Amino acid sequence: RKEVEQDPGPFNVPEGATVAFNCTYSNSASQSFFWYRQDCRKEPKLLMSVYSSGNEDGRFTAQLNRASQYISLLIRDSKLSDSATYLCVVLDSNYQLIWGAGTKLIIKP
Amino acid sequence: DTGVSQNPRHKITKRGQNVTFRCDPISEHNRLYWYRQTLGQGPEFLTYFQNEAQLEKSRLLSDRFSAERPKGSFSTLEIQRTEQGDSAMYLCASSSEGWEDTQYFGPGTRLTVL
Repeated sequence: RKEVEQDPGPFNVPEGATVAFNCTYSNSASQSFFWYRQDCRKEPKLLMSVYSSGNEDGRFTAQLNRASQYISLLIRDSKLSDSATYLCVVLDSNYQLIWGAGTKLIIKP
Repeated sequence: DTGVSQNPRHKITKRGQNVTFRCDPISEHNRLYWYRQTLGQGPEFLTYFQNEAQLEKSRLLSDRFSAERPKGSFSTLEIQRTEQGDSAMYLCASSSEGWEDTQYFGPGTRLTVL
């Protein structure tokens, strides 16, 4: 079992729709969680950190469920520019950053 | 632009040759990371530096790979006797002190080993 697992997609979603991805992690002692965005042939960029209480940034909402060991990312009112690969990143108990393989999102007009 | 820069952006080499990549981090960042990424995968951690000290190396990093950050500023990653399996995007990132700090990535060096 991979330490951080994501559905690779692609998720094909019409513009304006709401889409959600999950990411599961295997180390229950993991400390911090992040979502990064990576455009095709570009470097990853931090989208948002994920806090225990959940957090929201505009159209984006991230949540953490420690009991079930997953984090989620919700995108509301999706835009064409949201098309990208979304990478889940987990800081485990050994201070190792473990990256998921990413979920590809395609927003269609 | 004062972001992370990497050189070269692309490198094509023949199997068995040595290659060296350079990363210039954001100037006030103490931490510097090297990753490798192949198509359809997330970045794989290779190594990181706290100032000039190399504090961790992934078991993925074979003896053919070496990284330095001699003055705690720029870093180099060298691959000796390249193999076709080394073909990948090599990403450098930098951050402030802690693991929870945002990592800022450079544009990467795409290596193709023929």
